[in-house]
Amino acid sequence: AQTVTQSQPEMSVQEAETVTLSCTYDTSENNYYLFWYKQPPSRQMILVIRQEAYKQQNATENRFSVNFQKAAKSFSLKISDSQLGDTAMYFCALTISNFGNEKLTFGTGTRLTIIP
Amino acid sequence: AAGVIQSPRHLIKEKRETATLKCYPIPRHDTVYWYQQGPGQDPQFLISFYEKMQSDKGSIPDRFSAQQFSDYHSELNMSSLELGDSALYFCASSTHSGRTSYNEQFFGPGTRLTVL
Repeated sequence: AQTVTQSQPEMSVQEAETVTLSCTYDTSENNYYLFWYKQPPSRQMILVIRQEAYKQQNATENRFSVNFQKAAKSFSLKISDSQLGDTAMYFCALTISNFGNEKLTFGTGTRLTIIP
Repeated sequence: AAGVIQSPRHLIKEKRETATLKCYPIPRHDTVYWYQQGPGQDPQFLISFYEKMQSDKGSIPDRFSAQQFSDYHSELNMSSLELGDSALYFCASSTHSGRTSYNEQFFGPGTRLTVL
């Protein structure tokens, strides 16, 4: 079974600053994928960034980047130049590659507030 | 671009009633996932389908059943509703992926079920 842990229930940061959200996970599989999802007040689930476990290079999407430490089973999200629209719940998630049966296992989330 | 459609968006039911939630995947997507997100909680996987067959089952109560139809839309049937069933129910769709790949799950906007 897979588990995902987010130890920061809430965080806040000033607009334009950088913030890092933490996530640790556990799986016995070698082939898996990690994700950060954003859930704004609209409750829509939006994929922010993904990381393939077999790739050593950390994924980057504009202002969002990850620090993937495979040995430590750590997967943190860094948001640079934070904007008011980044205010949301952020979920770390994990799936194993399984012939199209890739259910997502989510962490408990971090509520991020960007302060004007 | 077409997105995942869920209907209804909001549903209010009494205890012990029955509810049916519908999900219309993105065209040409053959895989559907259902997730339940209780108030203040992370999404929990319920059940998934690939090519109209159930592919995996999570923490879905026996009172719930689901199926995927020939046009790939899916329905989640919930009977003997309880107060604890009040939640946001997400459907996500994807194309089938191979053993060592992953195709992104696209989430619908969710159906908010309130049981009174």
